[in-house]
Amino acid sequence: AQSVAQPEDQVNVAEGNPLTVKCTYSVSGNPYLFWYVQYPNRGLQFLLKYITGDNLVKGSYGFEAEFNKSQTSFHLKKPSALVSDSALYFCAVRFDTGRRALTFGSGTRLQVQP
Amino acid sequence: KAGVTQTPRYLIKTRGQQVTLSCSPISGHRSVSWYQQTPGQGLQFLFEYFSETQRNKGNFPGRFSGRQFSNSRSEMNVSTLELGDSALYLCASSFGDWNSNEQFFGPGTRLTVL
Repeated sequence: AQSVAQPEDQVNVAEGNPLTVKCTYSVSGNPYLFWYVQYPNRGLQFLLKYITGDNLVKGSYGFEAEFNKSQTSFHLKKPSALVSDSALYFCAVRFDTGRRALTFGSGTRLQVQP
Repeated sequence: KAGVTQTPRYLIKTRGQQVTLSCSPISGHRSVSWYQQTPGQGLQFLFEYFSETQRNKGNFPGRFSGRQFSNSRSEMNVSTLELGDSALYLCASSFGDWNSNEQFFGPGTRLTVL
């Protein structure tokens, strides 16, 4: 079975500071990992994905994520947070075989204070 | 290129009624998935269609059904509405049916059941 966990309901960070939003996944194959962001009253916007290759993936709006196979993690990072980054962030996983549906984490609300 | 569009954006129904939601994928995308988003259950997969065929179905009762047309547009139908069906229904499209493809989401249809 595939699952993904986001252990923090909310992350607070000051503008200009680095941010990390955590994500771990359960293993039953080779994972494809995705990060999405949701702003109020909007659908989900794709940020980045890990398929294979370089463990550090760069995405939209200055975000990046590091795939760590030994720790089964895929944490989202940004070197310098902006107030406009405040939103709900979802990690999602899909494996290379079998079940095709995206499995989402419970979401982490990022609050960036000015 | 236009994004994923969903109609209507907001819908209010009463218990026992039925509802049909519509989704138009990004031009050229042949895969359409539907998700239900609620505060309590988070994002849950409903079903996925590719080239008019249902490829995957989530753990929802038979009251939830869908279909895809030859132009890739998709509809989902919920019959005999219950209060618990109140949710944001998100449609997502992707180009092919590979598990590595990211999905692009529409703004959602907010369904309220009274």
